[in-house]
Amino acid sequence: EVQLVESGGGLVQPGGSLRLSCAASGFTFSDYWMSWVRQGPAKGLEWVANIKGDGSEQDYVDSVKGRFTISRDNARNSVYLQMNSLRSEDTAVYYCARDKGQLGRFDPWGQGTLVTVSS
Amino acid sequence: DIVMTQSPDSLAVSLGERATINCKSSHSVLYSSNNENYLAWYQQKPGQPPKLLIYWASARESGVPDRFSGSGSGTDFTLTISSLQAEDVAVYYCQQYYTSPRTFGQGTKLEIK
Repeated sequence: EVQLVESGGGLVQPGGSLRLSCAASGFTFSDYWMSWVRQGPAKGLEWVANIKGDGSEQDYVDSVKGRFTISRDNARNSVYLQMNSLRSEDTAVYYCARDKGQLGRFDPWGQGTLVTVSS
Repeated sequence: DIVMTQSPDSLAVSLGERATINCKSSHSVLYSSNNENYLAWYQQKPGQPPKLLIYWASARESGVPDRFSGSGSGTDFTLTISSLQAEDVAVYYCQQYYTSPRTFGQGTKLEIK
């Protein structure tokens, strides 16, 4: 069974940093692009970033470019999202999702981890 | 960015009746070289992550009941639930994967009348 489990969310002050992790199981992790998708109160569902199976390519939504970095460790079957210079508008549930290709549908999704940016 | 607009925002349908949700994209998501529409539908129940229902606008994901169907092409799409069941209460989202950034509709909340 394919499973994705996120961790690392929490409360952080504006301007702070947080690192999210997603542990994958049940499939050949290195064969797949992986994405982070967030769901916030104002913007609904928003794709944030993705990374190629071998880690050689990444893509980001404009609103996080220069602040967030996606990475992966195929030996640990994990993908990460380093979030710096956090803003209140980054408050959301962050989901890890498996990509169907570089530009594809998301299936499946993890249960999500909540990030709250507030003073 | 391609803007995805769903209608209605909320919908109440009686059990056993048909539910129809619309999705309109600001740019065609039909890729002419393979004649595929790069459009997916998801279902999100309370407290759960989204679940893929439909891809390529009309292909049903494995395990999805056949009462769910997708149709449309270009910029206008529809998700139809032919006979609403109690377990179908959820928020439904469309998503384009034609270009980056991939974008979602705002969601349609489906309830029982």
